[in-house]
Amino acid sequence: GQQVMQIPQYQHVQEGEDFTTYCNSSTTLSNIQWYKQRPGGHPVFLIQLVKSGEVKKQKRLTFQFGEAKKNSSLHITATQTTDVGTYFCHPGSGTYKYIFGTGTRLKVLA
Amino acid sequence: DVKVTQSSRYLVKRTGEKVFLECVQDMDHENMFWYRQDPGLGLRLIYFSYDVKMKEKGDIPEGYSVSREKKERFSLILESASTNQTSMYLCASSSTGLANEKLFFGSGTQLSVL
Repeated sequence: GQQVMQIPQYQHVQEGEDFTTYCNSSTTLSNIQWYKQRPGGHPVFLIQLVKSGEVKKQKRLTFQFGEAKKNSSLHITATQTTDVGTYFCHPGSGTYKYIFGTGTRLKVLA
Repeated sequence: DVKVTQSSRYLVKRTGEKVFLECVQDMDHENMFWYRQDPGLGLRLIYFSYDVKMKEKGDIPEGYSVSREKKERFSLILESASTNQTSMYLCASSSTGLANEKLFFGSGTQLSVL
């Protein structure tokens, strides 16, 4: 089926280290959303990016939408144990309508 | 806050049984979705509905059907459950029919088919 690729699939970091996950599409996206799923939980909406080159911040989380609107990234500065979970990107329309990225599972070692 | 409620958190069924997974949302959302989540495979779309009695296939509809008789309720049906349908099933809803509206998820149903 259709997929939007995320890399890496897994990431283990020491608490305090930075973390980045990337979301890549072969087609131009009108917008992109990011979701976080805690272990044993369900995906929860974090943010939406719409404009080319857009950057948004939520405390230690920085979200970017590429200039060509084909990729996006989520960067966490100085990870904490509360950041543990799986992060999914979700292109909002077009070819990948309602499809989620493959996800990046983050583990933070105290 | 939007609430999406799935009827069961855990369900155990036998091969060949007909299984109903129910989902109810309380915010008058037009769109409702069923995903399944398996380790290493992310979230895969089974079916979605953008209006009462309307449905569209997602990526993996085989072996499943859906029903949306009322706006707030979206049911996933496994006509004859098989072991490869053992999975976490997540229901979601969103408003206005626009693809860029955020999705609200239920807590999920972990289905085991023995």
